[in-house]
Amino acid sequence: NAGVTQTPKFQVLKTGQSMTLQCAQDMNHEYMSWYRQDPGMGLRLIHYSVGAGITDQGEVPNGYNVSRSTTEDFPLRLLSAAPSQTSVYFCASSSRGPLGQGNSPLHFGNGTRLTVT
Amino acid sequence: GNSVTQMEGPVTLSEEAFLTINCTYTATGYPSLFWYVQYPGEGLQLLLKATKADDKGSNKGFEATYRKETTSFHLEKGSVQVSDSAVYFCALTEGGGKLIFGQGTELSVKP
Repeated sequence: NAGVTQTPKFQVLKTGQSMTLQCAQDMNHEYMSWYRQDPGMGLRLIHYSVGAGITDQGEVPNGYNVSRSTTEDFPLRLLSAAPSQTSVYFCASSSRGPLGQGNSPLHFGNGTRLTVT
Repeated sequence: GNSVTQMEGPVTLSEEAFLTINCTYTATGYPSLFWYVQYPGEGLQLLLKATKADDKGSNKGFEATYRKETTSFHLEKGSVQVSDSAVYFCALTEGGGKLIFGQGTELSVKP
């Protein structure tokens, strides 16, 4: 069972470069989201999606773009990398749950550690 | 807005000691509450959950009770092991697949 797969595991970028972090899930989950993890700050929501073709901003969306063309994939694009984007990025997915409220537990990928110099 | 506050770490315990990690929340409505655990180099895994007031979530010897009157969801374990060393996150759901996380508490258990 693959679950949520993130690539790459590690990435080093120079300031101003762009890149895409890949995320794929094979559980047919409706909801997908991207978080960044920084020391002492827990995880903060960047962008999320409630289904194919639908995305919205989270708490810290600036500098990132997303799209959701299929149920399985939810890539995160860094448009012009900055040192402040050095972080560990986690993709997560979840189902609507029995009541359709989206309160089901999240399934996480293993993360992408990004360093911007 | 909604928020989660956890006790600061790191927490260092000896094996077989009792563990409490405090978590309080601010939320409108009746969110579901979760504890996630992150082992070194890995993503977060669900440890336990509670969906309504007075629910007790439990897993692997860990327990937490959803206390609406004190807006708390403290994590407890009666006897910790070295293998419990990890970072623990308290979280609440805002629906739509979104979670609000606390800042995380690092636990280190010494033999």
